[in-house]
Amino acid sequence: ETGVTQSPTHLIKTRGQQVTLRCSSQSGHNTVSWYQQALGQGPQFIFQYYREEENGRGNFPPRFSGLQFPNYSSELNVNALELDDSALYLCASSSGGSGYTFGSGTRLTVV
Amino acid sequence: GENVEQHPSTLSVQEGDSAVIKCTYSDSASNYFPWYKQELGKRPQLIIDIRSNVGEKKDQRIAVTLNKTAKHFSLHITETQPEDSAVYFCAAADYGQNFVFGPGTRLSVLP
Repeated sequence: ETGVTQSPTHLIKTRGQQVTLRCSSQSGHNTVSWYQQALGQGPQFIFQYYREEENGRGNFPPRFSGLQFPNYSSELNVNALELDDSALYLCASSSGGSGYTFGSGTRLTVV
Repeated sequence: GENVEQHPSTLSVQEGDSAVIKCTYSDSASNYFPWYKQELGKRPQLIIDIRSNVGEKKDQRIAVTLNKTAKHFSLHITETQPEDSAVYFCAAADYGQNFVFGPGTRLSVLP
C-alpha cells in the first residue's frame, strides 16, 4: 500500500453537477498534486498544493478548484461538470523534490 | 512551460529482448526526470528516476540515461519479461514543482 488514499474510487455524475474528490497524502508528505488522466493519455497537471497554498496550476478552467488542509489532505472540486471531465483523477503526494506517490485514483464518469 | 515528448507510442518486443523508450524535454530548468509504469486499471508507479547531476542510473534490469545538453533521456529495460508489459510514462520537473508527463508508451512483451 502506497499510503496515498483517494475517495471515492468511482463516481457517476450528471452534466452540470458539482463533484468533490478527496485525497489523503502519504505520511510526511506536505505537497499534493492533482492530475487528470483521460483514457489512453498521460496525466495532465491540474494544480499543486504546498502547506495549504496553491503552488502552481495547469491549463484548467477556474471551475476546477482545490483545498489542502492542515493535515495535508486535499480536495479537488469541479463545478458545472462537462462530459469531457470524464477521466481518472489522480492525487499524488511528495516531500520536496522526491518522486510522486500516486493514489489509486477516482474514476469520474459524467453523463 | 515545459513540454515533454515521448517515443515510440507503442513498442512490441520479444521476451528476453531489450526495450528502449526515449523522451525529450524543452525547459532547461528541469532537473528531475522520473519514469512511471502504469498497468491497466492501476495507478502509475515510480520505477526509476534521475537527477540532472547524474548521467546514468541503473536498477537491476532497468536503466535511465540523461543527456542534458540535448535535453533527452531514455529508459532501457533489458531481458524483458511478460510482466513488463504496461504503459510507461516519462516526466520532467523543476525541483519541487509540478511534473509534466509525456504521452506514454505502451510496451508489449511477447512470449
